[in-house]
Amino acid sequence: AQKITQTQPGMFVQEKEAVTLDCTYDTSDPSYGLFWYKQPSSGEMIFLIYQGSYDQQNATEGRYSLNFQKARKSANLVISASQLGDSAMYFCAMSPVTSGNTPLVFGKGTRLSVIA
Amino acid sequence: DGGITQSPKYLFRKEGQNVTLSCEQNLNHDAMYWYRQDPGQGLRLIYYSQIVNDFQKGDIAEGYSVSREKKESFPLTVTSAQKNPTAFYLCASSPGTFSGANVLTFGAGSRLTVL
Repeated sequence: AQKITQTQPGMFVQEKEAVTLDCTYDTSDPSYGLFWYKQPSSGEMIFLIYQGSYDQQNATEGRYSLNFQKARKSANLVISASQLGDSAMYFCAMSPVTSGNTPLVFGKGTRLSVIA
Repeated sequence: DGGITQSPKYLFRKEGQNVTLSCEQNLNHDAMYWYRQDPGQGLRLIYYSQIVNDFQKGDIAEGYSVSREKKESFPLTVTSAQKNPTAFYLCASSPGTFSGANVLTFGAGSRLTVL
């Protein structure tokens, strides 16, 4: 079974500062993928970034980067230069790497509030 | 523009009534999913379908039913057997991949309130 743990229910960050959202995971699958999604107040889930367990380098997408530490089973999301529009819920998720379309398992989320 | 359309956005239901939530995608994706979101609980999987005319139960399938008669459509019925149906329901789809990055695209969600 897979499990995602996000220990920060809420976080505050000053505008233009960087912030790290924590995510730890547990799985027995040898190969897996890790995802981060953003959910604004509108409710729609927006895909941000993906990291494969065998990827040699940490994933980056614009202001988003994933600090992947396989031995610690952590996949923290780093948002640089925070903007007011970054205020939202953030979810970490994972799935095993298989040939099929395996559903994602989600954590409970972290609510990020960006302060002007 | 391609995407996923969920309807209705808001729905009110009396206890004991069945209700069907619509989910349509024009992304030509093979797989579709239904998740339920409660405050502080994250997203929990209800049902998913990897191909037309086939679907599998997720972690919280009791009290729900689905069908997948067309590739584009994956409606969810919340039956009267669902004890606590008030929640936010999210539909998603994915294209199918052999590389591991099964990125889900989500609809805008449907908020169901039982009166």
